[in-house]
Amino acid sequence: EVHLVESGGGLVQPGGSLRLSCAASGFTFSNNDMHWVRQVTGKGLEWVSAIGVGGATYYSGSVRGRFTISRENAKSSLYLQMNSLRAEDTAVYYCAREYCSGGDCPGWYYMDVWGKGTTVTVSS
Amino acid sequence: QSVLTQPPSVSGAPGQRVTISCTGSRSNIGTGYDVHWYQHLPGTAPKLLIHGNSNRPSGVPDRFSGSKSGTSASLAITGLQAEDEGDYYCQSYDSSLGGLLFGGGTKLTVL
Repeated sequence: EVHLVESGGGLVQPGGSLRLSCAASGFTFSNNDMHWVRQVTGKGLEWVSAIGVGGATYYSGSVRGRFTISRENAKSSLYLQMNSLRAEDTAVYYCAREYCSGGDCPGWYYMDVWGKGTTVTVSS
Repeated sequence: QSVLTQPPSVSGAPGQRVTISCTGSRSNIGTGYDVHWYQHLPGTAPKLLIHGNSNRPSGVPDRFSGSKSGTSASLAITGLQAEDEGDYYCQSYDSSLGGLLFGGGTKLTVL
């Protein structure tokens, strides 16, 4: 069965850093683009970052320059290094797999598998 | 403007039909990028409901359907059930942002 499990969330002071991890299982991790999506309490889903199978990285304007996405295919793991954290980064962070099946990999498409999320709280 | 606009809330009685709209612009839906829909219940992972504007993944009941026209898309839910209560999001790609874009979400209440 396909699974994504996030970890690494916690309480951090403003200006601090945190590294989130996402462990994938049940599929060939190296074949899929991967994303981080977050949800601030009481707000909607917000796309944060993506990494392609070839390692190309993409960021939303709200985190560009502060967050770094990476992947380690040998460990089927996705990471999000978050620096210079702000109160507005407080959210549940979800790891998600982008759809790709055989030769059908449209790119920038939908996310077919999601983790249950890990909570990041930025507060003094 | 890079925004997908959804109504904040919709409601309906059990058995009724509701629709949720998702209005975009020329940099996303209007360019021809597909729209996808997710159901997000409290404390759970978001679940894919509709992909490619109108396609249901296996396991999603046919009570859920999607459509797209111009710069807008819609999610329809027929035969409302209590377990349908939750938040619903549309999603597309936005060429101005260079990334994925979610609608603001719609809270569905089953009366």
